[in-house]
Amino acid sequence: DADVTQTPRNRITKTGKRIMLECSQTKGHDRMYWYRQDPGLGLRLIYYSFDVKDINKGEISDGYSVSRQAQAKFSLSLESAIPNQTALYFCATSDTGYTYGYTFGSGTRLTVV
Amino acid sequence: EDQVTQSPEALRLQEGESSSLNCSYTVSGLRGLFWYRQDPGKGPEFLFTLYSAGEEKEKERLKATLTKKESFLHITAPKPEDSATYLCAVTTGGYQKVTFGIGTKLQVIP
Repeated sequence: DADVTQTPRNRITKTGKRIMLECSQTKGHDRMYWYRQDPGLGLRLIYYSFDVKDINKGEISDGYSVSRQAQAKFSLSLESAIPNQTALYFCATSDTGYTYGYTFGSGTRLTVV
Repeated sequence: EDQVTQSPEALRLQEGESSSLNCSYTVSGLRGLFWYRQDPGKGPEFLFTLYSAGEEKEKERLKATLTKKESFLHITAPKPEDSATYLCAVTTGGYQKVTFGIGTKLQVIP
C-alpha cells in the first residue's frame, strides 16, 4: 500500500457543486499538506496542518476548506467548485526535519465544467 | 518574495549523454533546497535536501550541488528510466514556507 493515499484519482464535477478530496497516510507523521499543481505555475500550498488541532491557511486558500479527522486523515473541500479550480491536487506529509522532504500522494485530477 | 527558476524547461538527451539541470533561487535566508522527481500521473518523489553552499549529494546517476545562488542536478550517463520532470524547491523556514520551481522535463532517448 502507498504511504499516502488520495481518493478519488480523477473527478469531473459541475460548477457550483461541493466536492471533497480525501487523503490518508501510514507514515505516522503529524504534519499534512494540500497542494495544487497547475501547468506553468508549479506547486502551491492550499492548507497545512501540523497536528489534529492545528489548521493553517496556505498561499491560495480562498474557495477551499479542510478537515483533519485524525492524525492519518486530512480532507480538502471545495464548497462551490468553479472552473479555475481545475487542477492536479496533491496531499503530502512530512516529519519535522528536512532530511526526507515531503512524501506526496499520487494526486487527484479535478476538472470543473 | 522568494523565487525559484529552473532551466531549461525541457531537455532531451541521448542515453549516456551527461548533462545538468539548473535551479536558481532568490530568497532571504535559505534553510534548505530540495530536489524531487515527478513521473507523469504521479506525485513528486523526494531525492535530496541540501542545506549550505558547497554541499553535494549523490544517488545513483544523480548528483546535486549547491552554491549561494543556484543548485545543479547533474545526470551522469542517463538511462531512459531517468525520464521525468525534476522539481526544485526552497524553504526559508519550515515546510509552510516552501517555494517550488516549475520544473525541468527530461527525456532520455534510447
